[in-house]
Amino acid sequence: SQQGEEDPQALSIQEGENATMNCSYKTSINNLQWYRQNSGRGLVHLILIRSNEREKHSGRLRVTLDTSKKSSSLLITASRAADTASYFCATNNAGNMLTFGGGTRLMVKP
Amino acid sequence: GAGVSQSPRYKVAKRGQDVALRCDPISGHVSLFWYQQALGQGPEFLTYFQNEAQLDKSGLPSDRFFAERPEGSVSTLKIQRTQQEDSAVYLCASEGVSTDTQYFGPGTRLTVL
Repeated sequence: SQQGEEDPQALSIQEGENATMNCSYKTSINNLQWYRQNSGRGLVHLILIRSNEREKHSGRLRVTLDTSKKSSSLLITASRAADTASYFCATNNAGNMLTFGGGTRLMVKP
Repeated sequence: GAGVSQSPRYKVAKRGQDVALRCDPISGHVSLFWYQQALGQGPEFLTYFQNEAQLDKSGLPSDRFFAERPEGSVSTLKIQRTQQEDSAVYLCASEGVSTDTQYFGPGTRLTVL
């Protein structure tokens, strides 16, 4: 079973616009991670935020975490066509495994 | 350095056949994970190794699924008597010591006819 729910399931924007994806989860976590997956390829790690952190930046990516609401958001600023992919949040809780959400399919139109 | 590699990249099996999927983790990575990803869904955990020890196999869907990592490096996921519902992408990931980041391979897409 999957812990997280991503919202929206699909998102289509124009190049240059910002994209925001949200993730909700059910149990307490050690950290939350965001991954990108291009069609037919493996998962690429984007960013990790720990349970005691509230916000983290990496290049054009900004991640927030609200443990009281059990939710996280990923913001991609100034999107590019190359950002077209599926984005997954994954939580790491008691064990070592990651529990993934269902993903958001982002399309950035040139 | 080299990332996680998996082979084969694609596998087509007839229902009832046995298959073996291979994962070569990043050199020196202690932890190795297998995940199953159905079409249009997020990956789901199957099993986890620390060195050669299989510490968690709670995600294996049935006793037809078996994984091993005999020398603490390369791992093999074996599926016996494949069924159509086994069709999925099988992802392998490895993780180094004192890090929470898993690095994924490209996956093996299994199609059972």
